[in-house]
Amino acid sequence: GAGVSQSPSNKVTEKGKDVELRCDPISGHTALYWYRQSLGQGLEFLIYFQGNSAPDKSGLPSDRFSAERTGGSVSTLTIQRTQQEDSAVYLCASSLVISGPYNEQFFGPGTRLTVL
Amino acid sequence: AQSVTQLDSHVSVSEGTPVLLRCNYSSSYSPSLFWYVQHPNKGLQLLLKYTSAATLVKGINGFEAEFKKSETSFHLTKPSAHMSDAAEYFCVVSDEGATNKLIFGTGTLLAVQP
Repeated sequence: GAGVSQSPSNKVTEKGKDVELRCDPISGHTALYWYRQSLGQGLEFLIYFQGNSAPDKSGLPSDRFSAERTGGSVSTLTIQRTQQEDSAVYLCASSLVISGPYNEQFFGPGTRLTVL
Repeated sequence: AQSVTQLDSHVSVSEGTPVLLRCNYSSSYSPSLFWYVQHPNKGLQLLLKYTSAATLVKGINGFEAEFKKSETSFHLTKPSAHMSDAAEYFCVVSDEGATNKLIFGTGTLLAVQP
């Protein structure tokens, strides 16, 4: 079946512009995660959505970052007034939420963001 | 707080020789531990996971890892490297909270020489 998809695959923007990154999770997966992979910081958690619950935003690095998840499916990560340090690969993952110690997260291919 | 430390940033082996990628964890409870692999320009793929069942965990492509509580280690091994194993490998621990967010190590880049 279809995996997690992300768009665009690459995005080049100028410093100060806003960008939107999109994630389509696997159908039926109620949990959705955003992570960021950068040279300086490695792979780090950004935000988590689960069903209709309030999202866990504890990983967002600044108030320029926000995310939405509409209808419990597609999610958009928005970065306002981009800075060069925002350059990174943004990864989306989704999972089922069932009882047990762990629910496997399935990752999309990522969006490579370059801020000039 | 949970964390993982990958002891080698780069490992180089010859094709057909064993692979050992080292990982130590820090956790105040019985952790869920994973190894993920990332091939160039590809997404992250789960290799294997430990969730307090058997301490020796077998994964895909001949990889396995052993959970050693006394050593707080979760090293990844493979008896015989293949050229296609060249990739970056991440040791990961799952957060103990409700989100199951993943906490990644810094990665080990595995090179396989012919």
